[in-house]
Amino acid sequence: QLQLQESGSGLVKPSQILSLTCAVSGGSISSDGFSWSWIRQPPGKGLEWIGHIYHSGSIFYNPSLESRVTMSVDRSKNQFSLGLTSMTAADTAVYYCVRMEIYSGYFDYWGQGTLITVSS
Amino acid sequence: DIQMTQSPSSLSASVGDRVTITCRASQSISRYLNWYQQKPGKAPKLLIHVAASLQSGVPSRFSGSGSGTDFTLTISNLQPEDFATYYCQHSYNYPYTFGQGTKLEIK
Repeated sequence: QLQLQESGSGLVKPSQILSLTCAVSGGSISSDGFSWSWIRQPPGKGLEWIGHIYHSGSIFYNPSLESRVTMSVDRSKNQFSLGLTSMTAADTAVYYCVRMEIYSGYFDYWGQGTLITVSS
Repeated sequence: DIQMTQSPSSLSASVGDRVTITCRASQSISRYLNWYQQKPGKAPKLLIHVAASLQSGVPSRFSGSGSGTDFTLTISNLQPEDFATYYCQHSYNYPYTFGQGTKLEIK
């Protein structure tokens, strides 16, 4: 059974950088047909797709966040990462790492999510 | 960006009822529409992909239909564990976007 687990600092100061890592177990991050995504959800609100990365390194970002987002993949550690710069209170959210099936674009395996709070 | 609009935003129903949730896209998305269920404090769970394909392990009382701009999620014979928030999501082009959610509550 595939499992994804987010890790990273839960509290980020305004203007600082968010760094999150997602460890994938029970399957290979290099599997064909899948990409690795980040999705966030502000408290009490809906879902926002941040972007995704293929094991080859190809990346697609949401244009609304593109200027601040960086994603990377580490095949040797079977994990992928998210960086988000210039954090503000509006970035406070639960951040999920998620597997996406690339042909139909659906999200089939989700991490449990990690709450990131932006506050001084 | 393609806007996804769900209706209703909230819905009250009883165990055993049949309910339908609608999702409308701001432009045609063919059948690139997926449905998720989310319970409080939990990650979303994939129910339906490509408009009508039931994800493995999801009960058959869940069904999806539609194409183009209008889609529906139907839950037959509501069970206590079905009371949750439901989201649609398009995967037609980037950026992928979600509907605002429909909260299904017990009457």
